Amino acid sequence: EVVLTQSPATLSLSPGERATLSCRASQRISSNYLAWYQQKPGQAPRLLIYGASSRATGIPDRFSGGGSGTDFTLIISRLEPEDSAVYHCQQYGGSPRYTFGQGTKLDIK
Amino acid sequence: EVQLVESGGGLVQPGGSLRLSCAASGFTFSSYSMNWVRQSPGKGLEWISYISASDSTIDYADSVRGRFTISRDYAKSSLYLRMNSLRDEDTAVYFCARVRCPNGVCHYLDYWGQGTLVTVSS
Repeated sequence: EVVLTQSPATLSLSPGERATLSCRASQRISSNYLAWYQQKPGQAPRLLIYGASSRATGIPDRFSGGGSGTDFTLIISRLEPEDSAVYHCQQYGGSPRYTFGQGTKLDIK
Repeated sequence: EVQLVESGGGLVQPGGSLRLSCAASGFTFSSYSMNWVRQSPGKGLEWISYISASDSTIDYADSVRGRFTISRDYAKSSLYLRMNSLRDEDTAVYFCARVRCPNGVCHYLDYWGQGTLVTVSS
């Protein structure tokens, strides 16, 4: 099983700053099948990034993904108050078919 | 507009059964693979089941294999999850999600429903 470890668990930043979220896999993720989702309280997850670095439709270019192999990063530049949310990474492949990280909570104050 | 609306959640006793439904609209349901994903209170996301667009491939997480059954009805554009032998640890919000399969590899989930809460308790 591929285990995804996200860090930090919680991140507190100010509007206009840059957030760097990490997702580390216990095994190499083939073909960068790594996605990122944003989830606000009481809402469904929303796809931000797929294929490690491709932005989903309608996602602002402030959100960018990178990395390969076992180390992946979500960067949110020029933070806005509405970016407060939990961010999840997810990988595809192996057994189980999909696994998620435990999430990073981002607070914008 | 793509919409996924789950229903069927509720309070059930340990050992009981429940059937969740997910009504899909705004896209050609028969062309997409679908997933069920759950989230226990205050916890992360857990994938639990996958069904391919053609219904030819079905997969489950070990935690639910043998107890849960995924199915789909193309005429009703609906996805289902039959849950038997429910346990306390199955308490969670259950989401259905559409799967994208570029080049035949179904590696990410692009639309999610709002979820339905299942509480297993005596």
